[in-house]
Amino acid sequence: EIVMTQSPATLSVSPGERATLSCRASQSVSSNLAWYQQKRGQAPRLLIYGASTRVTGIPARFSGSGSGTEFTLTISSLQSEDFAVYYCQQYNNWPPITFGQGTRLESK
Amino acid sequence: EVQLVESGGGLVQPGGSLRLSCAASGFTFSDYNMNWVRQAPGKGLEWVSYVIPTRTTIYYTDSVKGRFTVSRDNTKNSLYLQMNSLRDEDTAVYYCVRGSWSSGGIFDYWGQGALVTVSS
Repeated sequence: EIVMTQSPATLSVSPGERATLSCRASQSVSSNLAWYQQKRGQAPRLLIYGASTRVTGIPARFSGSGSGTEFTLTISSLQSEDFAVYYCQQYNNWPPITFGQGTRLESK
Repeated sequence: EVQLVESGGGLVQPGGSLRLSCAASGFTFSDYNMNWVRQAPGKGLEWVSYVIPTRTTIYYTDSVKGRFTVSRDNTKNSLYLQMNSLRDEDTAVYYCVRGSWSSGGIFDYWGQGALVTVSS
């Protein structure tokens, strides 16, 4: 089973600033990595797949990078609606499909 | 508009059974792989099960193998999860999730979830 590890667990950033979230896989997942956003009380929403491809309708301030075992989600200028929990997920080698434990992005 | 609506959640005692349903609309259900993903209270996401349209390939996470059974009825645009021998640790919100066309492992649409509480 591929273990996904996200860091930090909680990230405090001021609105308008840049946020950088990290995700590490226990073995290579190539570019088969997705990012999801989950707001309180809501279902997760797909943001990025293929490590760097934004879903239609996702703002350009969200970008993903990386391949192999190291990945990054960057939010270039935080808006109030971006404060949420973010999960990475690998779909390279499954079952099982595995998620990271999440990074909570909070307003500083 | 793609919609996934779960139903059937509730309170059940340990060792009991429950059946979740997911009604799909807004897309050709029989063309897509489907999944169940759960989230325990205050915890992260855990993939539970996967089924392809023809039902010839089905996967489960280890912790539910032998206890949970996923099924689908393409004529009714519906996905199901039969949960038997329920344990406290099965308490979670269960999401019905569509696998994308390009890769069944990309979860492009999620339902709002059904809460299952296992407690005596």
